[in-house]
Amino acid sequence: AQTVTQSQPEMSVQEAETVTLSCTYDTSESDYYLFWYKQPPSRQMILVIRQEAYKQQNATENRFSVNFQKAAKSFSLKISDSQLGDAAMYFCAYRRGYGNKLVFGAGTILRVKS
Amino acid sequence: NAGVTQTPKFQVLKTGQSMTLQCAQDMNHNSMYWYRQDPGMGLRLIYYSASEGTTDKGEVPNGYNVSRLNKREFSLRLESAAPSQTSVYFCASRLEYGYTFGSGTRLTVV
Repeated sequence: AQTVTQSQPEMSVQEAETVTLSCTYDTSESDYYLFWYKQPPSRQMILVIRQEAYKQQNATENRFSVNFQKAAKSFSLKISDSQLGDAAMYFCAYRRGYGNKLVFGAGTILRVKS
Repeated sequence: NAGVTQTPKFQVLKTGQSMTLQCAQDMNHNSMYWYRQDPGMGLRLIYYSASEGTTDKGEVPNGYNVSRLNKREFSLRLESAAPSQTSVYFCASRLEYGYTFGSGTRLTVV
């Protein structure tokens, strides 16, 4: 079974600085997708970024970028120029290529200090 | 507004009571899901429905049943609630890569 591990229960970052959230996963598949979701206190699940395993280029969405290391099965999220609105729980998630199920990590709480 | 609608948003049950969590989506998605979120454990899949008329167990199905009433609706039933089922429940639907989540139901079983 696929597993997703987020080893940092909590992280803190100063406003305007950069922070990296870690995620590792375990799979024997070659075709899969990886996601980062943000969950603010409102509980809403918001897609931050998606990476297809077949793509070598790291995905980027504005201030959010990933470092996808396929051989190491690592998928970290970098948030640049952190803002107060970035404070939330962040979940890393995995889905097999033709699969249906999204498998989540335990989450990392990100606190942003002003 | 297009999206996934869950009801109720909050519920308190007594041990042994039953209830159904409702979920509806208006995006014409084939696949729908029920997850539970517990502290330190992320979201875990309870049941899913790949298409109308089919349902499958996820990671933590014990104590739950589901019904895919039609393409829009996917309900989750607790037949005899237990304190271990205290959690936040999320319904989601999917089209290709995009998952859309409802706003969640906070359920407390006392």
